[in-house]
This record gives sequence, structure tokens and C-alpha cells, in this order.
Amino acid sequence: NAGVTQTPKFQVLKTGQSMTLQCAQDMNHEYMSWYRQDPGMGLRLIHYSVGAGITDQGEVPNGYNVSRSTTEDFPLRLLSAAPSQTSVYFCASSYFGKGEAFFGQGTRLTVV
Amino acid sequence: AQTVTQSQPEMSVQEAETVTLSCTYDTSESDYYLFWYKQPPSRQMILVIRQEAYKQQNATENRFSVNFQKAAKSFSLKISDSQLGDAAMYFCAYRSSILTGGGNKLTFGTGTQLKVEL
Repeated sequence: NAGVTQTPKFQVLKTGQSMTLQCAQDMNHEYMSWYRQDPGMGLRLIHYSVGAGITDQGEVPNGYNVSRSTTEDFPLRLLSAAPSQTSVYFCASSYFGKGEAFFGQGTRLTVV
Repeated sequence: AQTVTQSQPEMSVQEAETVTLSCTYDTSESDYYLFWYKQPPSRQMILVIRQEAYKQQNATENRFSVNFQKAAKSFSLKISDSQLGDAAMYFCAYRSSILTGGGNKLTFGTGTQLKVEL
């Protein structure tokens, strides 16, 4: 099984540019989420979804948009990148309730 | 809101020795899950071990075991017979139980960088 697939693995953006981080899972998980990892701060929740058509904000949602049109895909959009969004981004999925979260490989994003 | 605290930014252990990583958490819930994740230099998040709060027995996975003290809200990870491949960042994480309506959101600690020395 592919598990959780994130693309791209690395990205450099200029301030003000937009981009979409892709996330796909093939485990039929209801729950998907996006985290950002910054040094000394652990992973913080950006947005999450409990199923197709349902999304909600996490701890640090400002500057990011998400949508969930299918069970498999949960893209994260940066509309106007800022240097403060330089981080490592992780997508995760799980069954709703029991079970651990499965993580993608992460995307290292640098905004210059 | 729940919080997770890892007070040891860095730890070192000699190969084949035992090391314990600390984690404390704060919650008003009675039913929840606790996890330890390993993040090697490859950046991949790997589940090491999980503990369900309603289970009194401490979880064990091969060389990894936990000391879960629910009243003290403490969840430490013990690594026995440490190996070079254990060198990584370790994150403690909390998840509410679905029964309390908290969903599947994970709250992470800030991590402990474990170094394994020859």
C-alpha cells in the first residue's frame, strides 16, 4: 500500500506566490489533517477534515485553505506565501476513532 | 485545551544501555490515547507505541515500553538495549477519545532529540 503520499517533498517560494501541497491516502480513512513542524514547537494542527465536504480549523489556520472533495485527497493551499510559513508540513490520516495516525513524508517549504 | 510537555530537549545514551524519555500532559478528560512517535533524519513520522488511557497495563513493543501514570498525567518512554538506529527526535502526543467528541486531533510535545553513542 502507498499509505499517505505527499507532494512535493521540497519547495521554494517567493513571498506572495501561491501553491498547493498535495496529500492523498489509499486507506479509506475518514480523518485527514495537516500539521506544520517548526523547531522547538513540535507539530501544530493547521486544518483537518472528518470526511468529504467537511473541514475545520486547527490551531494555526491563518494563511491556509483546505478542501475535501473526495475521501482520498486533502490539498493544502497557500494563497499568498509569507516567510512565516517557512516550515515542514505533514499530512496525516486515520480512521475516525481508533487507530493511530499515518503520516506522509513531509514537505519542506521555504518562503524567501 | 490539552497540553503536552517534554522537558528534555536532548538526551544521550550509550549503545546497549537503557534510556527513559519523559512526557507529561494536562487534560480534564478521562478517556484518551497517548502515543510516542519517532522522527529520524529522514523526517518520516513513525509510530513507536500507543497507550489507551482506560487500560491500566503499560504498553510494550519489543525494546520499547511505557510507564503510564494516569493520576500523575505522566507517560514516559523507556528504550532498552539502545541501538544506533534509535537516534532520532521523539515526540509524545495526546489524542482525545472519539467518545468525548474531541475527534482525532493530535496534540504534540516539543520533542526530545535522542543521541546514541558508541
